[in-house]
Amino acid sequence: DVKVTQSSRYLVKRTGEKVFLECVQDMDHENMFWYRQDPGLGLRLIYFSYDVKMKEKGDIPEGYSVSREKKERFSLILESASTNQTSMYLCASSSFAEDSEAFFGQGTRLTVV
Amino acid sequence: DAKTTQPPSMDCAEGRAANLPCNHSTISGNEYVYWYRQIHSQGPQYIIHGLKNNETNEMASLIITEDRKSSTLILPHATLRDTAVYYCIVRVAPHAGGTSYGKLTFGQGTILTVHP
Repeated sequence: DVKVTQSSRYLVKRTGEKVFLECVQDMDHENMFWYRQDPGLGLRLIYFSYDVKMKEKGDIPEGYSVSREKKERFSLILESASTNQTSMYLCASSSFAEDSEAFFGQGTRLTVV
Repeated sequence: DAKTTQPPSMDCAEGRAANLPCNHSTISGNEYVYWYRQIHSQGPQYIIHGLKNNETNEMASLIITEDRKSSTLILPHATLRDTAVYYCIVRVAPHAGGTSYGKLTFGQGTILTVHP
């Protein structure tokens, strides 16, 4: 069974902390994505990566950075967490195949206090 | 990426077919139509996708109009477990050297409620 695994289901962090959200996929996919989901705003793309060490900004990259040192792992970093980054964070992966589908993790609900 | 328009909510009786419409009038020739659904507190789940032809799998059928400007997702026998938010997405095929890499851009989706 294919899997995208996010390291935490729930996370509570303090304002100003550096936060790491980890995502691992076991499908040898080239593409990996980080989204955040907020009520009334839907899913918004933060960053995506199409290869090791390669990254592209999504629609809302401000306040975030990413790291992809290995093909299977894509990390989202909040350099200095703020309360407006309280959200559900979703990781996804897909292959380069023309009609590939994306697989999503179960999500990490982050609360910044 | 082309934008999509979906009704914000729909109801369906259990055991009946649920027909979820999607408008994507600005779709380009190389863009696929994808459907995902999200059950509360879970990540989105892939349902089906298509380019021009109608498609069917074990979960649903996808009907795409000839001009490709709209589509309909059909759940043939809806169950209570099909209650979810359904997203219609148009997606450029991923390709090396491009800028989209097959990213998915989600709209607001349709909240489908299946009732007994």
